[in-house]
Amino acid sequence: EPEVTQTPSHQVTQMGQEVILRCVPISNHLYFYWYRQILGQKVEFLVSFYNNEISEKSEIFDDQFSVERPDGSNFTLKIRSTKLEDSAMYFCASIGNEQFFGPGTRLTVL
Amino acid sequence: ELKVEQNPLFLSMQEGKNYTIYCNYSTTSDRLYWYRQDPGKSLESLFVLLSNGAVKQEGRLMASLDTKARLSTLHITAAVHDLSATYFCAVDGVNSGNTPLVFGKGTRLSVIA
Repeated sequence: EPEVTQTPSHQVTQMGQEVILRCVPISNHLYFYWYRQILGQKVEFLVSFYNNEISEKSEIFDDQFSVERPDGSNFTLKIRSTKLEDSAMYFCASIGNEQFFGPGTRLTVL
Repeated sequence: ELKVEQNPLFLSMQEGKNYTIYCNYSTTSDRLYWYRQDPGKSLESLFVLLSNGAVKQEGRLMASLDTKARLSTLHITAAVHDLSATYFCAVDGVNSGNTPLVFGKGTRLSVIA
């Protein structure tokens, strides 16, 4: 069964550093989402991506965030200058007949 | 704005007992999902409910959907320790198809002997 993969599984970074989180969605899917889950809280939508551009974004997705699909397979989320409050689990989802979630990347900002 | 409310948020239950988790949502939606999450792990899809009156069962878990009441329930029968986890309901936005999910806050279930 096809699955969504994410790397790295855990990223530790210093405040102010840039991080890139990577996702490989399911190959014939066209819509992809990023979600965030702060520890102990609910899952929140960040951004959706279709046809190589952002189709929708939430208030959380400010100028520090960007997404791209550089090579037709990987789907990346970049945080330009991390803040302590960016510490969270970041999930990529690939959309078919339902939303298929990746295993997540735990980002820890020190 | 679509809102999703779950209750209870915390549930401690004894093995062998039954209980129900409730999920209310505020606007019309086509699909409702239930997910399980173990600590530090991803979201495991349990059920996708697509229509009014839908009922799905898997093992000791049964989910139902009442679109008129905008209510879904997740019923646990004869709980066992392995069911301890956090359970989330999530709803597609209006005119779903490719809209982001709106999640409830989750119900942290602890099954004790």
